[in-house]
Amino acid sequence: QVQLKESGPVLVQASETLSLTCTVSGFSLTNYGVIWVRQPPGKGLEWMGIIWRNGNTDYNSALKSRLSINRDTSKSQVFLKMNSLQTDDTAIYYCTRNYGPKSVMDAWGQGASVTVSS
Amino acid sequence: DIQMTQSPASLSASLGETVTIECRASEDIYNGLAWYQQKPGKSPQLLIYNANSLHTGVPSRFSGSGSGTQYSLKINSLQSEDVASYFCQQYYDYYTFGAGTKLELK
Repeated sequence: QVQLKESGPVLVQASETLSLTCTVSGFSLTNYGVIWVRQPPGKGLEWMGIIWRNGNTDYNSALKSRLSINRDTSKSQVFLKMNSLQTDDTAIYYCTRNYGPKSVMDAWGQGASVTVSS
Repeated sequence: DIQMTQSPASLSASLGETVTIECRASEDIYNGLAWYQQKPGKSPQLLIYNANSLHTGVPSRFSGSGSGTQYSLKINSLQSEDVASYFCQQYYDYYTFGAGTKLELK
């Protein structure tokens, strides 16, 4: 059964760094990519970045300067780090599964709610 | 970057009705279009990919159509469990989501 689960702090101070972990099961990170998506309260969805199955990464240009994604395939974990947080980074952060370029997000985690406090 | 314009922002319909949600891309996305359903308090779930292919387990009352820059999601015979927000997404050139449509029962 394919599962993704996000974990990390619920509350982060402004200007600090957010670190989230996505732990996957039911598939291998060497066969699928993982995309991070976020959703501010009551708003729409924004893709943040992707780590492809070959380990390469791409980032949303709006977040590229603050964001990094890497992984530990032996632990089936993907890591998101985003620095210089502001209050408008308050959101639910999702990790999702992706087969490759020009393909959809066919499985989603439950989401991690992160509040940035000033 | 490709922009996605989704309409309407909200929709109220009765049980058994047919509803349609539209999405327009700022350039041709060659059917690289997905629809997701998000129920309150839950994560989005894939409904349709490649503009018109139903994801595994999705009821057949959902259908997608379109090409080029114009796409639509149709829900036939609306059920109570269809109350949700719906998002279109292009994946032709990285990823962009529409702003969403909130579907409620009348």
